[in-house]
Amino acid sequence: GAVVSQHPSWVICKSGTSVKIECRSLDFQATTMFWYRQFPKQSLMLMATSNEGSKATYEQGVEKDKFLINHASLTLSTLTVTSAHPEDSSFYICSARDLAGDAYEQYFGPGTRLTVT
Amino acid sequence: RKEVEQDPGPFNVPEGATVAFNCTYSNSASQSFFWYRQDCRKEPKLLMSVYSSGNEDGRFTAQLNRASQYISLLIRDSKLSDSATYLCVVNLYNDYKLSFGAGTTVTVRA
Repeated sequence: GAVVSQHPSWVICKSGTSVKIECRSLDFQATTMFWYRQFPKQSLMLMATSNEGSKATYEQGVEKDKFLINHASLTLSTLTVTSAHPEDSSFYICSARDLAGDAYEQYFGPGTRLTVT
Repeated sequence: RKEVEQDPGPFNVPEGATVAFNCTYSNSASQSFFWYRQDCRKEPKLLMSVYSSGNEDGRFTAQLNRASQYISLLIRDSKLSDSATYLCVVNLYNDYKLSFGAGTTVTVRA
């Protein structure tokens, strides 16, 4: 149980285009999903907290107009990187908190590797 | 000062050896602590939670030292498959957000 999927697993796009990444909880309901970014040899950095039916909460330094988050249902959150630039190339990982589970445990998706050329 | 800090390693150990490493955290009021494992280019996977009295899961032992604000992970009888990056993860402000250390790399050699 507690499986989180992400799509796509990797994407290459040209500078200036937008990319949408989906995060789904497959066998549980997730009121809260988190979006992280990880650069090589660095730790995961929380970008934003996404709550179903409400606006996402962004961490300091993360541009909300550039990283659009939508959490339309209890099983799906999307992250759209708008007007992507090479410096946005990174490993994007989502996680989800099980509505019925341990309050602090998060289940991670397999990640999306974004390369902007 | 980083909020969650780990020795990056790498720790290169032979099979069967014991390896241990620590992680310090900045907020003395933090309540929840975890060790995650991350393989190259993969997502983190929960290895174990860390409880106040210390806990063991097979060959893995986790300890919490609140006075000195650190947690530790010890791996006994290392296997080749233990080679990975181990992430120290803390719910720093008890608000459901997790803060990650940069990871400690362990390489177990035959």
